[in-house]
Amino acid sequence: AQSVTQLGSHVSVSEGALVLLRCNYSSSVPPYLFWYVQYPNQGLQLLLKYTTGATLVKGINGFEAEFKKSETSFHLTKPSAHMSDAAEYFCAVSDRSQGAQKLVFGQGTRLTINP
Amino acid sequence: NAGVTQTPKFQVLKTGQSMTLQCAQDMNHEYMSWYRQDPGMGLRLIHYSVGAGITDQGEVPNGYNVSRSTTEDFPLRLLSAAPSQTSVYFCASRWGQTMNTEAFFGQGTRLTVV
Repeated sequence: AQSVTQLGSHVSVSEGALVLLRCNYSSSVPPYLFWYVQYPNQGLQLLLKYTTGATLVKGINGFEAEFKKSETSFHLTKPSAHMSDAAEYFCAVSDRSQGAQKLVFGQGTRLTINP
Repeated sequence: NAGVTQTPKFQVLKTGQSMTLQCAQDMNHEYMSWYRQDPGMGLRLIHYSVGAGITDQGEVPNGYNVSRSTTEDFPLRLLSAAPSQTSVYFCASRWGQTMNTEAFFGQGTRLTVV
């Protein structure tokens, strides 16, 4: 069964600094990969996804992620953090071998932006 | 443009009580699912449905029932609430039966069982 590990439950960066949120997955076949963001007291919304094709995926709000099969990683980055980026971020994987019907989430990373 | 609507937003139950969390979507999505969110554990799948009349168990189904009589609605029932079911519950829907399209989430229901 697939699984997702997000390294670091809390990440703190200064405004304007690089944001790097780490995600590693475990899957026996090439997966579908997603990053979701959750603002306080709200549901999750999609930041970006990788299904097939280009391994560098661009999402909303200036975020991007790169699928690296050799490292089984899908890290999320943003060149310059903004105060509005403070939120919880979830990496998720869907395994095609099981009919791709289940989305498995990582534990989440809470991003704090320091002024 | 409602999307996925969950009711209620907040609920306090006593141990042993039953209740139904409502979820409705207006996007004609085939796939609907329920997750619970607990600190440090991400979101865990409770039950899901790939279409009206079809449901299946997820990772943590015990203590919960679901049914899918229409495309739009996917209620989650707690038959006898327990303190371990204190959590934030999210309903999600998506087009199609495979997980390569975006899932849309409701705003969540915060449930406390005392």
